[in-house]
Amino acid sequence: ETGVTQSPTHLIKTRGQQVTLRCSSQSGHNTVSWYQQALGQGPQFIFQYYREEENGRGNFPPRFSGLQFPNYSSELNVNALELDDSALYLCASSLGRGGAVTDTQYFGPGTRLTVL
Amino acid sequence: KNEVEQSPQNLTAQEGEFITINCSYSVGISALHWLQQHPGGGIVSLFMLSSGKKKHGRLIATINIQEKHSSLHITASHPRDSAVYICAAAEGGGSQGNLIFGKGTKLSVKP
Repeated sequence: ETGVTQSPTHLIKTRGQQVTLRCSSQSGHNTVSWYQQALGQGPQFIFQYYREEENGRGNFPPRFSGLQFPNYSSELNVNALELDDSALYLCASSLGRGGAVTDTQYFGPGTRLTVL
Repeated sequence: KNEVEQSPQNLTAQEGEFITINCSYSVGISALHWLQQHPGGGIVSLFMLSSGKKKHGRLIATINIQEKHSSLHITASHPRDSAVYICAAAEGGGSQGNLIFGKGTKLSVKP
């Protein structure tokens, strides 16, 4: 148990729809990172938030957006869903602003999104 | 762009065998993470290291910064070690760091 939870566990959407995925970090963890893992691949970095502000972004289009809240929860929003967005979405929380450079990452169980 | 490569992709071992999984990366990094992913997706952090060697139970991780190479060793392997093992390079400066993942090594330990 990492103390990081994600909801929902599974989700099915159709192309063009919008989706919001949620993550609840460990208390006191100021950094949350979101990753997309396609089937058979390693996770890809989407973006990172530190104390409610975006603190780095990977190679994902603007229709992927996020929010982090003061209560250590965060959201990943994806607009205009495409078939290729089907993947496992993982969040990982850590203590400090350095993220994975300085701190152990605590991963949630993931949300499996299927886009039809 | 940092490339992280792992070998082998798949590994089958008999219970009790000593196992080594290798990871190489192409550019300098600040830290290297070893992670374990079970079927269903959950990822657990095993090690974070920036130099030398770390040991936890039957798991040992080493890193050679000059050669840009890290290894994960499992001694006296057990069927419960069956999982996907992923190495991930931590990039970024002191105020922001994200992970670049390898594709993972699928380990199956037979009783």
